[in-house]
Amino acid sequence: GENVEQHPSTLSVQEGDSAVIKCTYSDSASNYFPWYKQELGKGPQLIIDIRSNVGEKKDQRIAVTLNKTAKHFSLHITETQPEDSAVYFCAASKGNSKLTFGKGITLSVRP
Amino acid sequence: GAVVSQHPSRVICKSGTSVKIECRSLDFQATTMFWYRQFPKQSLMLMATSNEGSKATYEQGVEKDKFLINHASLTLSTLTVTSAHPEDSSFYICSATDRVGNTIYFGEGSWLTVV
Repeated sequence: GENVEQHPSTLSVQEGDSAVIKCTYSDSASNYFPWYKQELGKGPQLIIDIRSNVGEKKDQRIAVTLNKTAKHFSLHITETQPEDSAVYFCAASKGNSKLTFGKGITLSVRP
Repeated sequence: GAVVSQHPSRVICKSGTSVKIECRSLDFQATTMFWYRQFPKQSLMLMATSNEGSKATYEQGVEKDKFLINHASLTLSTLTVTSAHPEDSSFYICSATDRVGNTIYFGEGSWLTVV
């Protein structure tokens, strides 16, 4: 089955700096890669996703890049703000089948 | 974006009783819904996948007789924790995908505390 690795487990950045979170996956058949932001006590919120037919997608301060050959994808957050502090999960799936999640990374943005 | 609603957001029940959690897709028809369990500071653990009108598919190690899942309509799935015990206390989250299957949206989660 699919295995999604997410490292490191924590990341701390200064407000205004960029944050990059990387994930790797094992199943070359996976074609859907969403990123979720989870705040304490709440459900995961989809922030951006990418499908295997594109290499990059951007939405304001957030972007995701996908390298199918290397089987890794990354979340890029520019001009970080304190409210970006949360746990971020990457995931992978084939179409609308079940998602396999990474273990999550805690992002802290220092004011 | 699409909205998935869970109810209740928090519930406390006595050991030995059953509790039901609802998951609704508010603005789309959810052909497939997923139920997850999350322990503190851990990732989401998939419990089961349910398709409208058919029996749920449970992940290995998840007791189907303890965690009853019903997906009777295209907008509602329910998770019933039967004969709850303190170790069942957890954060339960549902997600749903529509007919096209383009995106998976999550509910806000339900905190279950068994005392």
